[in-house]
Amino acid sequence: QKEVEQNSGPLSVPEGAIASLNCTYSDRGSQSFFWYRQYSGKSPELIMSIYSNGDKEDGRFTAQLNKASQYVSLLIRDSQPSDSATYLCAVFTGTASKLTFGTGTRLQVTL
Amino acid sequence: SAVISQKPSRDICQRGTSLTIQCQVDSQVTMMFWYRQQPGQSLTLIATANQGSEATYESGFVIDKFPISRPNLTFSTLTVSNMSPEDSSIYLCSVEVLGITNEKLFFGSGTQLSVL
Repeated sequence: QKEVEQNSGPLSVPEGAIASLNCTYSDRGSQSFFWYRQYSGKSPELIMSIYSNGDKEDGRFTAQLNKASQYVSLLIRDSQPSDSATYLCAVFTGTASKLTFGTGTRLQVTL
Repeated sequence: SAVISQKPSRDICQRGTSLTIQCQVDSQVTMMFWYRQQPGQSLTLIATANQGSEATYESGFVIDKFPISRPNLTFSTLTVSNMSPEDSSIYLCSVEVLGITNEKLFFGSGTQLSVL
């Protein structure tokens, strides 16, 4: 089992819709969770972090964490074509003291 | 956040040569890391660059192939030695920024390396 799993996609949503990106992780001791956005040919950009169960909202982005089920998700409301990118889920595991990345989900927002 | 300058941004190298990548941060940071992102893949941690001591390498990465320097809290280099086409990848410097209650990881702009 991979440490951090994501559906590679592509996930295609129409402009204005809600995009839902999911991520599961294997280590129950994981403490911190991050979502990065990566445009083609660019480096990852941190867009959300979440540390406790529940929802965290920042503009059009909402991160959701459920430690009991070991998943973290990212919702993008009112999706725009500029949101088209690969979204990387990253999990910080205290036992390993490092950030582990998923393989990313490619999001395509269509006109 | 932190401003991270990485250079070169890209290079094309011949097999058997070495390339040194530089990473400069605009503030002192304790933790600096080097990642590799192979085509179509996610990020893999190469090593943690430790200031004043040898880097800590992840499984599958060795110092002879990827020597790392960290002379101070704002600068680090990664050398890709005796390159082969399999080393063609994006190499990313990253730093950990500590907040009041948590830490976050930020990335430099990356170095796109192509080995012929």
